[in-house]
Amino acid sequence: QKEVEQDPGPLSVPEGAIVSLNCTYSNSAFQYFMWYRQYSRKGPELLMYTYSSGNKEDGRFTAQVDKSSKYISLFIRDSQPSDSATYLCAMSSSGGSYIPTFGRGTSLIVHP
Amino acid sequence: DTGVSQDPRHKITKRGQNVTFRCDPISEHNRLYWYRQTLGQGPEFLTYFQNEAQLEKSRLLSDRFSAERPKGSFSTLEIQRTEQGDSAMYLCASSLDHTQYFGPGTRLTVL
Repeated sequence: QKEVEQDPGPLSVPEGAIVSLNCTYSNSAFQYFMWYRQYSRKGPELLMYTYSSGNKEDGRFTAQVDKSSKYISLFIRDSQPSDSATYLCAMSSSGGSYIPTFGRGTSLIVHP
Repeated sequence: DTGVSQDPRHKITKRGQNVTFRCDPISEHNRLYWYRQTLGQGPEFLTYFQNEAQLEKSRLLSDRFSAERPKGSFSTLEIQRTEQGDSAMYLCASSLDHTQYFGPGTRLTVL
């Protein structure tokens, strides 16, 4: 079992839909949770960063962390075709190295 | 542009050749990370530096891989005697804390 599990998709939704992307993890030491967006053949772009449990909102994006269930989510409201990309979750533990463990990414397709 | 930059963006080489990639981090970031990413997978950590010190290199894929950051600024990743299995995207990221900022990557194709 991988430390971080993420369904690769693809997830196909119509424009305007609410999208839910999820990751589960096994390492209870993880304290920092990130979501990255990666367009084809580009580097990952940091979208959201959350420490410990709770919700964080930024525009159309909401990140949720449930440490008791070892489950994190990213919600995208009013999805747009420009949101079509691969979404990577990443997480790391306290300590000096800050080395994250990534999920394999979920491919999202938003069709007009 | 004050983001992370990588050079070259694409590299095609023949099996057995050596290749070197360069990464220029965000100027105030003291940490620099190298990753490899293959199709359909998330980035796989290779090594990282804090300033000029390489603090983790046990996850470099083999002894053909090496990295340097001689003055705590830019870094290079070298792959010696390339193999077809080395074909991948090589990503660099920099950070001050848990939030890492990635460069555009160098796509390596080994023929």
